[in-house]
Amino acid sequence: DAGVTQSPTHLIKTRGQQVTLRCSPKSGHDTVSWYQQALGQGPQFIFQYYEEEERQRGNFPDRFSGHQFPNYSSELNVNALLLGDSALYLCASSLGQMPPLHFGNGTRLTVT
Amino acid sequence: KNEVEQSPQNLTAQEGEFITINCSYSVGISALHWLQQHPGGGIVSLFMLSSGKKKHGRLIATINIQEKHSSLHITASHPRDSAVYICAVVLVGGTYKYIFGTGTRLKVLA
Repeated sequence: DAGVTQSPTHLIKTRGQQVTLRCSPKSGHDTVSWYQQALGQGPQFIFQYYEEEERQRGNFPDRFSGHQFPNYSSELNVNALLLGDSALYLCASSLGQMPPLHFGNGTRLTVT
Repeated sequence: KNEVEQSPQNLTAQEGEFITINCSYSVGISALHWLQQHPGGGIVSLFMLSSGKKKHGRLIATINIQEKHSSLHITASHPRDSAVYICAVVLVGGTYKYIFGTGTRLKVLA
C-alpha cells in the first residue's frame, strides 16, 4: 500500500525562478492538501484540492498555485521565488476532504 | 496568541523517563491529531482523538474537550523517540481545516 510520495526530495532554486513540486496521494485517497513548513515552525496550510478543483486556500499569495490531475496526483507551483519561500513543502492526502491526513516526506526547497 | 500552543518547546530526557507533552487550543475542534516528525521531515500520524484516551504501545494520548487541552505521554522513553511532536486540531464545520502547533522537540539521551 503506497503512502504519500513527493518529488523531488530536495531542490535549490534562484530568486525569481519558478518551481514545480509533485505529490502522489496514498492509494485510495482523493484529496490533496499542501503545507509550507518553515524551520522551527508548524506547517502552514497553502491549499487543498478535491475533484480537480481548489477547495480551500490559506493565506498565501497568488504566486502559489496548484493543480490536481484525474488520477488525484497534484502539483504545487511557485512563481517568482523569494528567499522567504525556502521551506519544507509537505503534501498530505485524505479521503473525501475528511481527516485524518496522511503526510509525505516533503520537498525541501532552498532559494538562493 | 497562537490558536494552538504546545509546551514545552524543547525537552531533553534520559532513557527510561516518563515524558509528557501538552497541547492547549482556543478554538472549537472536531478532533485533535498528534503527529511525529523526524529530522528528515516526514510526518507520521500517532493518534487522532475527539474524546477520552488512546493508547498505542508506549504512547498514550488524552484529551479534555471542556478544558481544551490534550497531552501526549511516552512511557519508558528511548532514544528512537527523539523527534518533533506536533499537535494539530481539526476545526469544527464542514472544512476539516487543520491548525498546527509549532511542535515540541524531544531528545532522549541514552
